Amino acid sequence: DAKTTQPNSMESNEEEPVHLPCNHSTISGTDYIHWYRQLPSQGPEYVIHGLTSNVNNRMASLAIAEDRKSSTLILHRATLRDAAVYYCIRGNRDDKIIFGKGTRLHILP
Amino acid sequence: GAGVSQSPRYKVAKRGQDVALRCDPISGHVSLFWYQQALGQGPEFLTYFQNEAQLDKSGLPSDRFFAERPEGSVSTLKIQRTQQEDSAVYLCASSSPGGAGEYPNYGYTFGSGTRLTVV
Repeated sequence: DAKTTQPNSMESNEEEPVHLPCNHSTISGTDYIHWYRQLPSQGPEYVIHGLTSNVNNRMASLAIAEDRKSSTLILHRATLRDAAVYYCIRGNRDDKIIFGKGTRLHILP
Repeated sequence: GAGVSQSPRYKVAKRGQDVALRCDPISGHVSLFWYQQALGQGPEFLTYFQNEAQLDKSGLPSDRFFAERPEGSVSTLKIQRTQQEDSAVYLCASSSPGGAGEYPNYGYTFGSGTRLTVV
């Protein structure tokens, strides 16, 4: 049980921002929110993680709701190379990752 | 090497054949995980090692699946008497406990996987 809910697919235009939502309404106080993405024919790769505060790194930003029941992964300027399946995962930093089906992101040129 | 290496990249096995899939984790990574990914699905957890100890094998689908990591580095996933339903991509990931560091060193690092096709 992945314990997160994501849309099956989303589309975005190239060079525009993308907001990928995730619901995790049963999240516990110690659970982190992690995002991984999987490009075609590759293994998943880490994108970003957070606990309570919003986070930024070179790849993306993570906006976490105040009640922590939802979060949004933000790609500030999508490129064709960002087309992938994006997985939102909740858990402790050292827990085994339980993947759901993720959101397949299509980027339109 | 810089990443997690898996071999072979592709494997075709006849039904009933035994196969062995190899994973070379990042040097020094204590934790190692195996996942199975069917077409169009997210990866599913198979088993977890911390050094040479197999701490969780709850995801292994049957007793035909066996994993080992005898010296706490390289790991092998063995599937005996392969069946068509075993056809999938098998992914290996490694990490350091505590996810030391920040991007891009945090979290699990996955290999590109071994695509197993049973015919």
